[in-house]
Amino acid sequence: DADVTQTPRNRITKTGKRIMLECSQTKGHDRMYWYRQDPGLGLRLIYYSFDVKDINKGEISDGYSVSRQAQAKFSLSLESAIPNQTALYFCATSKGYDNEQFFGPGTRLTVL
Amino acid sequence: KNQVEQSPQSLIILEGKNCTLQCNYTVSPFSNLRWYKQDTGRGPVSLTIMTFSENTKSNGRYTATLDADTKQSSLHITASQLSDSASYICVVSEGSSYKLIFGSGTRLLVRP
Repeated sequence: DADVTQTPRNRITKTGKRIMLECSQTKGHDRMYWYRQDPGLGLRLIYYSFDVKDINKGEISDGYSVSRQAQAKFSLSLESAIPNQTALYFCATSKGYDNEQFFGPGTRLTVL
Repeated sequence: KNQVEQSPQSLIILEGKNCTLQCNYTVSPFSNLRWYKQDTGRGPVSLTIMTFSENTKSNGRYTATLDADTKQSSLHITASQLSDSASYICVVSEGSSYKLIFGSGTRLLVRP
């Protein structure tokens, strides 16, 4: 089945460490997104990419960076993790002009 | 400011009963509204989508309504099942772009 996968599914790290979360998709979609979900809040957009060479900041990009290594791969990095980056992180994909987004299973990140 | 508000925050019902979840939005320009279901430990999955001109959309036991004049939507679940236990997220698309405004969700628990 065409799908969106994320690794790792769970990660515990310490303040100041560099962390990379990875996303892969077999849907053939060109657009990919990274969101974070916090309790009591809606999902918030961190970064999005419409193509391998097109990367854009979302509403909460500070402290994060991304890399679009290929059409099917989009990774999120926390250069120096801090406790308030503890959250559930989701990758999503969509086709160019159809804005339905398909989400991966999420990565639960805990920063101690 | 574009916002999506959902009520109630959480709901407990008995198996077989019906329930209705509410969504109010202040998103402009409006493109469409989706209801997503998010099972614990999984990413959100789209249930229904409605555009400005649609009032009702059904997907099995799920029926969504939209009143574009009052900017309200509801999701009605009929004859609830244990598998309906999940968070239900109202998502409004801003304009014709990628940008989605997420509500914080309603957590539904269906008890036997």
